[in-house]
Amino acid sequence: DGGITQSPKYLFRKEGQNVTLSCEQNLNHDAMYWYRQDPGQGLRLIYYSQIVNDFQKGDIAEGYSVSREKKESFPLTVTSAQKNPTAFYLCASSIDGDSFYRNLNQPQHFGDGTRLSIL
Amino acid sequence: DAKTTQPPSMDCAEGRAANLPCNHSTISGNEYVYWYRQIHSQGPQYIIHGLKNNETNEMASLIITEDRKSSTLILPHATLRDTAVYYCIVRGGWDSNYKLTFGKGTLLTVNP
Repeated sequence: DGGITQSPKYLFRKEGQNVTLSCEQNLNHDAMYWYRQDPGQGLRLIYYSQIVNDFQKGDIAEGYSVSREKKESFPLTVTSAQKNPTAFYLCASSIDGDSFYRNLNQPQHFGDGTRLSIL
Repeated sequence: DAKTTQPPSMDCAEGRAANLPCNHSTISGNEYVYWYRQIHSQGPQYIIHGLKNNETNEMASLIITEDRKSSTLILPHATLRDTAVYYCIVRGGWDSNYKLTFGKGTLLTVNP
């Protein structure tokens, strides 16, 4: 089945350690997104990528880094510079990296998330 | 900041229609209204979206007022599995890269 796969489901980080969250999609979508969700809150955008080898900062990019070397993959690294990394991380994708499809307003589809905690 | 206002919680009896309101008084002409829902510890699920006409799909109906300043999501026959947080989102236009901005949503509890 087509979809978005996030791994691992649960992740623990030690102080001062970088960790990488995986996001893979087989929907042939151009655009991919990373969001962070804190308890009782809505989602906040960390980074997004409209096309391979290009990505843009979202609202809360500090302490995070991404890469987009392949269309189907958009890994997120939580660096030691992120002082409050404990959160639920969600990856999404949509077809509309290209401006034509963006004008059609296609929805974003989400993975099931990775819950990151600090040891 | 989220551009929408929703009640924090609502209750609905199983089998009845659930009507979830949303205010978006500052919506621009090219901005769409999106609805997602999130069941605890899962990723948000897309429900429906619209610009100015009413929309219906297999999950729900979306009623947008003529002035586009508010909308209502209708789940015609709510089930216990519809218990979730429902997010009403105004999707930004070209000047914000079409991003979704999530607020806190409405916790809908469907009761037996």
